[in-house]
Amino acid sequence: NAGVTQTPKFRILKIGQSMTLQCAQDMNHNYMYWYRQDPGMGLKLIYYSVGAGITDKGEVPNGYNVSRSTTEDFPLRLELAAPSQTSVYFCASSYSSPGGRDYGYTFGSGTRLTVV
Amino acid sequence: GQQLNQSPQSMFIQEGEDVSMNCTSSSIFNTWLWYKQDPGEGPVLLIALYKAGELTSNGRLTAQFGTTRKDSFLNISASIPSDVGIYFCAGQFSARQLTFGSGTQLTVLP
Repeated sequence: NAGVTQTPKFRILKIGQSMTLQCAQDMNHNYMYWYRQDPGMGLKLIYYSVGAGITDKGEVPNGYNVSRSTTEDFPLRLELAAPSQTSVYFCASSYSSPGGRDYGYTFGSGTRLTVV
Repeated sequence: GQQLNQSPQSMFIQEGEDVSMNCTSSSIFNTWLWYKQDPGEGPVLLIALYKAGELTSNGRLTAQFGTTRKDSFLNISASIPSDVGIYFCAGQFSARQLTFGSGTQLTVLP
């Protein structure tokens, strides 16, 4: 059982380049999330998805895009990389019960992105 | 947005000592979660709390959901070297979104 898998683990981008951070989960979780973590800070939510075909903005969505074509995959796209996007990116997933409670909130091991 | 104040920011303790850290919020939460993050890894869930007043243990870890729903604490008893890491609290009011504290860096001295 792999849990939440993120690729790549490290990446260096030049300003203006684009890239896609991959995230896959094998726990059949309905909810998936992307967070960023800056040095010495907690995690901030970028985007989330409550199911295939449904996505919504989090706290810091500017400069990013997401899609959710399957339950398992939730890629994060950076179109025009900027130095302010240098951060560690975490994908997470959870199961939300009909009563609205989230269970099994699980994080991937992160992608460390540097924009130069 | 909602803000979480987590304290202390860092702690240096001797192996075998007990540790306590807490989070407070100006807003109420329906769920409190405590995570540990090791260097280069994602956060790992330690304890989840779902009801005000709830006290839950996981081995040497004990966490409580404050009765006002605006705070939570985490205790670690008899600390060991592998307890080293960053501990985060996270609060959740509605489904989907967690608000994270800024973390407590724990160092355990031999």
